[in-house]
Amino acid sequence: QQQVKQSPQSLIVQKGGISIINCAYENTAFDYFPWYQQFPGKGPALLIAIRPDVSEKKEGRFTISFNKSAKQFSLHIMDSQPGDSATYFCAARSNQAGTALIFGKGTTLSVSS
Amino acid sequence: NAGVTQTPKFQVLKTGQSMTLQCAQDMNHNSMYWYRQDPGMGLRLIYYSASEGTTDKGEVPNGYNVSRLNKREFSLRLESAAPSQTSVYFCASSDQLAMGEQFFGPGTRLTVL
Repeated sequence: QQQVKQSPQSLIVQKGGISIINCAYENTAFDYFPWYQQFPGKGPALLIAIRPDVSEKKEGRFTISFNKSAKQFSLHIMDSQPGDSATYFCAARSNQAGTALIFGKGTTLSVSS
Repeated sequence: NAGVTQTPKFQVLKTGQSMTLQCAQDMNHNSMYWYRQDPGMGLRLIYYSASEGTTDKGEVPNGYNVSRLNKREFSLRLESAAPSQTSVYFCASSDQLAMGEQFFGPGTRLTVL
């Protein structure tokens, strides 16, 4: 079964620190890897996404690192802030027609001030 | 522009009762999705509709039915609610199936007693 394995389940980081969330996959047909951010009581929202033809994508303090050979990708949050406290989901899309996004189980990030 | 709207926001049902969760989007998106979110389980896809007139099962379709009423609306029906269906339900939409950004609604918190 297609899966995206996400770790850790929860993460506590001090303000100003680096938060790192990892995801791994098996299906080589995956060709699009987004990250979603969800605040309590809200629906998830797209944060940043990457395609496998690049190894890194940066948007402000958020960076996706992608390792195609290891079939792993990770989200790095630099200078973490209390406002970054949320649940983060990685996801993957297969290039097979008619398939929907596969989500990881999520990581709850708490940034302490 | 309201994005994705869901009704109701909260609902309490007794075991065996039926109900329909409503979802509408005003972004002229082709694809729509229903997810459930449970602690530690992440976002699990129940059903999706790649385009108007089509629906497909996701990861956890048992106990649910869907209707893509028109391009804007995608409803989720519980015919005979069970306590295992206690969850937060999210509707989402995207321009194309699994491509680009998925926009999520605010969620419906359902409790089945």
